[in-house]
Amino acid sequence: GAVVSQHPSWVICKSGTSVKIECRSLDFQATTMFWYRQFPKQSLMLMATSNEGSKATYEQGVEKDKFLINHASLTLSTLTVTSAHPEDSSFYICSATGGWDYGYTFGSGTRLTVV
Amino acid sequence: SQQGEEDPQALSIQEGENATMNCSYKTSINNLQWYRQNSGRGLVHLILIRSNEREKHSGRLRVTLDTSKKSSSLLITASRAADTASYFCATDNYQLIWGAGTKLIIKP
Repeated sequence: GAVVSQHPSWVICKSGTSVKIECRSLDFQATTMFWYRQFPKQSLMLMATSNEGSKATYEQGVEKDKFLINHASLTLSTLTVTSAHPEDSSFYICSATGGWDYGYTFGSGTRLTVV
Repeated sequence: SQQGEEDPQALSIQEGENATMNCSYKTSINNLQWYRQNSGRGLVHLILIRSNEREKHSGRLRVTLDTSKKSSSLLITASRAADTASYFCATDNYQLIWGAGTKLIIKP
């Protein structure tokens, strides 16, 4: 079945530094990738949608300059949290699809802790 | 506001019993999906039902979709302790919109 690899699974970084999270589709071409954020005991919140080769579409309230998304190929999307602060600590999950009728495959998530 | 809304918010049942969770949504959809999330882990896709389907089965899972009522239900039969998790429905209208989830606890 379709597999999405997300890396790293957890990261601790100092306030003010940047962190990059990778999301790779291993056995299918992901025309669209999504990035979500989840706070404890809350539902997923869609942050942005990215299509290969084009700029990501950010949801209202999500800072584009803070959460940089790059989807340079059909198998790789990256989310960079720039100048991270403790309030950015959260669980970030990516998902990928090869088309709307194929369902979505999720990465295993990245737990980011900013100290 | 979120497209999908699950109820109940939490459900606790004995092992072996059936668990039913419901999901309502607001606009037209291409498909609806159910996911499971174990605490602190990523999401696992359970089942996808298309807008022209009314019922779908996968192992101990049974999903129904009523597009006239904009609702779906997920039934887990003969529950097991390993089914303890949060369950989310997600509707697709070119992107996933998530509900808040149902926390299911199976008591041994």
